[in-house]
Amino acid sequence: DAGITQSPRHKVTETGTPVTLRCHQTENHRYMYWYRQDPGHGLRLIHYSYGVKDTDKGEVSDGYSVSRSKTEDFLLTLESATSSQTSVYFCAITAQGGTEAFFGQGTRLTVV
Amino acid sequence: DQQVKQNSPSLSVQEGRISILNCDYTNSMFDYFLWYKKYPAEGPTFLISISSIKDKNEDGRFTVFLNKSAKHLSLHIVPSQPGDSAVYFCAASGNFNKFYFGSGTKLNVKP
Repeated sequence: DAGITQSPRHKVTETGTPVTLRCHQTENHRYMYWYRQDPGHGLRLIHYSYGVKDTDKGEVSDGYSVSRSKTEDFLLTLESATSSQTSVYFCAITAQGGTEAFFGQGTRLTVV
Repeated sequence: DQQVKQNSPSLSVQEGRISILNCDYTNSMFDYFLWYKKYPAEGPTFLISISSIKDKNEDGRFTVFLNKSAKHLSLHIVPSQPGDSAVYFCAASGNFNKFYFGSGTKLNVKP
């Protein structure tokens, strides 16, 4: 298994509260990604990072921000959680020159 | 608009028979294509891939076919086994190492 740890694994939060999900890797890979998985939509890219402090938006970035201050950590923040952000969130990593993305175990977020 | 599409949400196959999962894409800049397998409560795991310079790649029971002119790829599993029952995602990547995924096909292999 690729060394990817997501925390927390499960979270229930109230609408309007800020939430931060953490992805930690031990592979020293350059690229890191946040995806969300929803029925009928598959995996959709939220944000990705191509290096420390280098990030870019994905397909569904509205309502989300990210930060990457160290190679090993990629944080996803929901500034003010909404019920539409109830989902399963996956972090993924890819090496420089790599062709496959490796995924973490996921974080199930419920916004009530 | 989704750039990678899997139009069959589910597929049911008898054990020992062939499973064929299909995927279409719209972006001609994609140059690498992948299949992932996902079990409930786990992250997706890489299964097999193919570069745009090839039209077929085989790994054991799994074969991926790419038809660039039709912007279509398929995954063949022969013979299918009950342990293959999972959700399969097709993915594509091009410049910038971004991966775009389809909506998934849930495969059920019946014993």
